[in-house]
Amino acid sequence: QKEVEQNSGPLSVPEGAIASLNCTYSDRVSQSFFWYRQYSGKSPELIMSIYSNGDKEDGRFTAQLNKASQYVSLLIRDSQPSDSATYLCAVKDSGYSTLTFGKGTMLLVSP
Amino acid sequence: EPEVTQTPSHQVTQMGQEVILRCVPISNHLYFYWYRQILGQKVEFLVSFYNNEISEKSEIFDDQFSVERPDGSNFTLKIRSTKLEDSAMYFCASSVSLTGELFFGEGSRLTVL
Repeated sequence: QKEVEQNSGPLSVPEGAIASLNCTYSDRVSQSFFWYRQYSGKSPELIMSIYSNGDKEDGRFTAQLNKASQYVSLLIRDSQPSDSATYLCAVKDSGYSTLTFGKGTMLLVSP
Repeated sequence: EPEVTQTPSHQVTQMGQEVILRCVPISNHLYFYWYRQILGQKVEFLVSFYNNEISEKSEIFDDQFSVERPDGSNFTLKIRSTKLEDSAMYFCASSVSLTGELFFGEGSRLTVL
């Protein structure tokens, strides 16, 4: 049974700070990793994808992947109140279409 | 910007009734999915659909569930005889390829009484 674990939070950060969100996964064959943002009562929205070890930056977001440690993280720089949401980590095996989601970490950015 | 649309946004039904949830995926996408999220729980995979057939399904997707693409645009999820535990938000999603970069619709909230 594939597991994706995230701290449920809430993670509270002040506006302008760096928010760090973490995720671990159980299945070593997982090949693709994703961060989705979900506002309360809304659907998941893709923020970042990462496929190889290291860092990937997109604007204020940086995804980090360490396959040896089975660990994925998302850094949000210059956090804004509009970033307040639940961040879902998801993993996928190569050749399959299924995403396995974590339960998500709630982020609260205070003005 | 193209988007996945779902109807209805909320449906209330009695236990044992059949429900059909409808989705219009993004037009150039080839892969279609249904996920569900019980209140306060994880987003869970139900089924994926490609080339007019199911490509993968989870243990949740039992004989009470079926999917269909009745025409070139709609993608439907049918629950034959609803149970209380089917109450959830059902998300349709689509993707261009198998990368895992899914675009989700706004969801259909199903309440079974």
